[in-house]
Amino acid sequence: AQKITQTQPGMFVQEKEAVTLDCTYDTSDQSYGLFWYKQPSSGEMIFLIYQGSYDEQNATEGRYSLNFQKARKSANLVISASQLGDSAMYFCAMRPFADDKIIFGKGTRLHILP
Amino acid sequence: DGGITQSPKYLFRKEGQNVTLSCEQNLNHDAMYWYRQDPGQGLRLIYYSQIVNDFQKGDIAEGYSVSREKKESFPLTVTSAQKNPTAFYLCASTPTGADTQYFGPGTRLTVL
Repeated sequence: AQKITQTQPGMFVQEKEAVTLDCTYDTSDQSYGLFWYKQPSSGEMIFLIYQGSYDEQNATEGRYSLNFQKARKSANLVISASQLGDSAMYFCAMRPFADDKIIFGKGTRLHILP
Repeated sequence: DGGITQSPKYLFRKEGQNVTLSCEQNLNHDAMYWYRQDPGQGLRLIYYSQIVNDFQKGDIAEGYSVSREKKESFPLTVTSAQKNPTAFYLCASTPTGADTQYFGPGTRLTVL
């Protein structure tokens, strides 16, 4: 069965420090995409970063990078130089290419402390 | 501006009434999706549609119905058969040939 696991329900991090949010996934498909979304208190889901299973290099988007370890089925999100505005829920998600649906993890609530 | 709109932002209904949530996109995306989110939880798929006049059930379709008469619109009806309809509902769409879903601002439904 396809599954996304985010083991950190909540994290507190000092402003300007780097943050790593954990995500592991379970799939028998060979081809899939991995996503991270940010959900601030307003509720809207904001797309952050995407990694394809065939991509050999880790994806980066500004202060966000995805630490992709395929053998370990791990897709951790790294936020460099955290800011107060990074406080939000973060969701890891996966879509097997053979499927039309995206599977979401339960999320990690990140609190950035001033 | 291009984007996905959901209206209204907050919706209150009495128990036993059907209610329809709006989702419109002007991004020319083919696929559209409806999710439900409960407090402290991830997203669960209700229905999705890859093309006009066609849609498929997601993981929690019972008590919900949809239509896709136009590419731009994918309304969701929460029927009286849905046992616990109070939740946050998110609509999303995907460009043709792409994987990433883009979301609307959501509608918070409260059934009294």
